[in-house]
Amino acid sequence: GESVGLHLPTLSVQEGDNSIINCAYSNSASDYFIWYKQESGKGPQFIIDIRSNMDKRQGQRVTVLLNKTVKHLSLQIAATQPGDSAVYFCAENERGNQFYFGTGTSLTVIP
Amino acid sequence: NAGVMQNPRHLVRRRGQEARLRCSPMKGHSHVYWYRQLPEEGLKFMVYLQKENIIDESGMPKERFSAEFPKEGPSILRIQQVVRGDSAAYFCASSPQGLDSGYTFGSGTRLTVV
Repeated sequence: GESVGLHLPTLSVQEGDNSIINCAYSNSASDYFIWYKQESGKGPQFIIDIRSNMDKRQGQRVTVLLNKTVKHLSLQIAATQPGDSAVYFCAENERGNQFYFGTGTSLTVIP
Repeated sequence: NAGVMQNPRHLVRRRGQEARLRCSPMKGHSHVYWYRQLPEEGLKFMVYLQKENIIDESGMPKERFSAEFPKEGPSILRIQQVVRGDSAAYFCASSPQGLDSGYTFGSGTRLTVV
């Protein structure tokens, strides 16, 4: 089966600092990855995606880096704000019908 | 655009009862996916449906669980004879043309079996 895992279950950062959330995946055939943010009591919210033909993709305050050699994905959040506090999931897809989700990293932003 | 609507938000059932979870996809979306999330875990795929068709149910337990997406109305996830282990958050996502075309989740139904 698929294995998508996160290196750290929790992360605390000072407001204004940059955050880096990491994710390891095991399926080298996966070609589409998404980062989701989930706030308490809510559904996952799309943050940014990246396909396997790219190494880096930037959005507003967020950057996703993909290292296919070591099967590693990271999410960088610039100038972290209290509203960024949530659980962050990476999800992978291998051209199938489903995403495989990691366990999640809980990000806490300290004011 | 109201987004993906799920109801009820919270559902409490006694062991042995039936649970019916509803999902109305975003306007224009004809692809629906159901996921289950146990406490402090990631989401696990259950089933993928298009209108009137089950495309992939590889994540559905073989017994007691069923899903449908009729021509008219919302998609329904039905759990018969619920057990405590069914307690979880159930999320529905929809997309216009399959997984690659963008995936929007609803707010989920939290099922508690007592």
